[in-house]
Amino acid sequence: GQSLEQPSEVTAVEGAIVQINCTYQTSGFYGLSWYQQHDGGAPTFLSYNALDGLEETGRFSSFLSRSDSYGYLLLQELQMKDSASYFCAVPGAAGNKLTFGGGTRVLVKP
Amino acid sequence: DAGVIQSPRHEVTEMGQEVTLRCKPISGHDYLFWYRQTMMRGLELLIYFNNNVPIDDSGMPEDRFSAKMPNASFSTLKIQPSEPRDSAVYFCASSLEGQGADTQYFGPGTRLTVL
Repeated sequence: GQSLEQPSEVTAVEGAIVQINCTYQTSGFYGLSWYQQHDGGAPTFLSYNALDGLEETGRFSSFLSRSDSYGYLLLQELQMKDSASYFCAVPGAAGNKLTFGGGTRVLVKP
Repeated sequence: DAGVIQSPRHEVTEMGQEVTLRCKPISGHDYLFWYRQTMMRGLELLIYFNNNVPIDDSGMPEDRFSAKMPNASFSTLKIQPSEPRDSAVYFCASSLEGQGADTQYFGPGTRLTVL
């Protein structure tokens, strides 16, 4: 089976940097995805890491270490609009099936 | 592109009633997923289809739940009879073969309340 662990909540101020960690246990590993979900909204895709290292997309970056079964999402120059829940997810061997972590709620304060 | 379309957006029903949720995936996508999200259980995959064929329904909670995909542009999730514990937000998502298992496009969800 698949299981993912991430912190439940993180609070930070505008302009700060937040790192959301995700550790996973999987039977076979194909990559690590990150999704953002605002309250009342739908999850939206942020990033995907199939290989070790850092992927940067604007203010957001995602890192993967397959040997450590660990990844993180880095949110830089935090803005109020970044207040949301962030989910890590792993695909399974069959098709495009994803298993999601429990989500990390990020609260950005002025 | 209109994105994934779900209807209704909100549904309030009484225990024992039948509920049908509808989804139109993004045109050309060949995978369709149904998820349920609650505070207690998080985001759970219920069932997914590939080219209209159900591939994995291991997440369907019990026989009261059923899902169909009669064609590439339409799917339904039915709950009969509904119970208060079925109250949740139900999301439909679609993705494209070859794009990788990473990217799924979610619809706006249906918020179901069973009284």
